[in-house]
Amino acid sequence: DTGVSQDPRHKITKRGQNVTFRCDPISEHNRLYWYRQTLGQGPEFLTYFQNEAQLEKSRLLSDRFSAERPKGSFSTLEIQRTEQGDSAMYLCASSQFWWDRGYQETQYFGPGTRLLVL
Amino acid sequence: AQSVTQLGSHVSVSEGALVLLRCNYSSSVPPYLFWYVQYPNQGLQLLLKYTTGATLVKGINGFEAEFKKSETSFHLTKPSAHMSDAAEYFCAVSDGPNFGNEKLTFGTGTRLTIIP
Repeated sequence: DTGVSQDPRHKITKRGQNVTFRCDPISEHNRLYWYRQTLGQGPEFLTYFQNEAQLEKSRLLSDRFSAERPKGSFSTLEIQRTEQGDSAMYLCASSQFWWDRGYQETQYFGPGTRLLVL
Repeated sequence: AQSVTQLGSHVSVSEGALVLLRCNYSSSVPPYLFWYVQYPNQGLQLLLKYTTGATLVKGINGFEAEFKKSETSFHLTKPSAHMSDAAEYFCAVSDGPNFGNEKLTFGTGTRLTIIP
């Protein structure tokens, strides 16, 4: 198991451009989370998936943000018409949720994608 | 709604000294509590977690934390600091099982500096 991977690790873009990030979770994990971390702050929850279903979105996730997990494996996070305020580290995490126990294992985090909007 | 307060955004200790990082939480349901560590330009690594059972939890790299319900605290300690402990530490809380999606709510972090 290689852990959670994210691509790219760094992205510099100009204001108004669209960007897309990819997250590959640990292969057997059915839950996938996206968090955003700004400088000097802790990560903040954005959204999460149970298999391919997006079950919750934070108020932080404006209409310019969209996330998908089409086959219940990897996920993408797209930001349209980027703004300077979108500059942050975007973290992906995955975990295994056991329906029969109502129990979730630990969330494992990827290395993050650092976005800078100029 | 859940929240986490980490007292002290920066903590400095001498190598070999006791490390104490403070975390207080607020939760309307029985919480799960976590400590994560983040090294520069890296993701988060789990140090330890409390779910149920024994309130003193041991983690990796010699760290431990004690869940005190009456004080709503989950402070992180290490008896003897090592230079490699220098990093950012985050306390986090989530709903226990069957209460929600188990998303993590993080504190603002404590940057630990080790003085040689």
